[in-house]
Amino acid sequence: GQQVMQIPQYQHVQEGEDFTTYCNSSTTLSNIQWYKQRPGGHPVFLIQLVKSGEVKKQKRLTFQFGEAKKNSSLHITATQTTDVGTYFCAGLVIKAAGNKLTFGGGTRVLVKP
Amino acid sequence: DAGVTQSPTHLIKTRGQQVTLRCSPKSGHDTVSWYQQALGQGPQFIFQYYEEEERQRGNFPDRFSGHQFPNYSSELNVNALLLGDSALYLCASSLTGRGIAETQYFGPGTRLLVL
Repeated sequence: GQQVMQIPQYQHVQEGEDFTTYCNSSTTLSNIQWYKQRPGGHPVFLIQLVKSGEVKKQKRLTFQFGEAKKNSSLHITATQTTDVGTYFCAGLVIKAAGNKLTFGGGTRVLVKP
Repeated sequence: DAGVTQSPTHLIKTRGQQVTLRCSPKSGHDTVSWYQQALGQGPQFIFQYYEEEERQRGNFPDRFSGHQFPNYSSELNVNALLLGDSALYLCASSLTGRGIAETQYFGPGTRLLVL
């Protein structure tokens, strides 16, 4: 079945530094979604990328969808303590029988002040 | 505009018991998906309901069943609970557009502990 892998599993970042987390799917995706989950919370939708090679920015966050629509990345610049949490990518495959969203294992981000 | 709501927030059960979790979708949404999130892991897709029918199912045993009501709310039932069923159960709602990519909005989850 479809698998979505994320690396790294953990990311320790000094406040003010940049980092990137990567997401890879075993199958071609209809779209890729990114979520953030704070400790003790639930996943909160951040963004959705649909087109091959698409790049979207949200303030200090830059999201990219690969040309083959099988991988994606999230780059955060000037990390802040509010960026703490787990970032999940989720690949959507659209089928006639219904759409299925498969989550990666997440990248847990810890920020050192 | 109410978001996705779930009840109860927390639940403690013993092995072999049965549990029912409830979800009300975001206003205007007609599709409900259920996920199981074990500690330290990503959400795992259980199944999705649309038009009161199970439309897609993940790799979960038949002990996991569900239902969707005419008002689009949904229930997740788990029979013969095992210790390994302890997890955060998330409900996500979306609007089905028949081939249009859909964004899912998650509820706060029900934290189930099986002793």
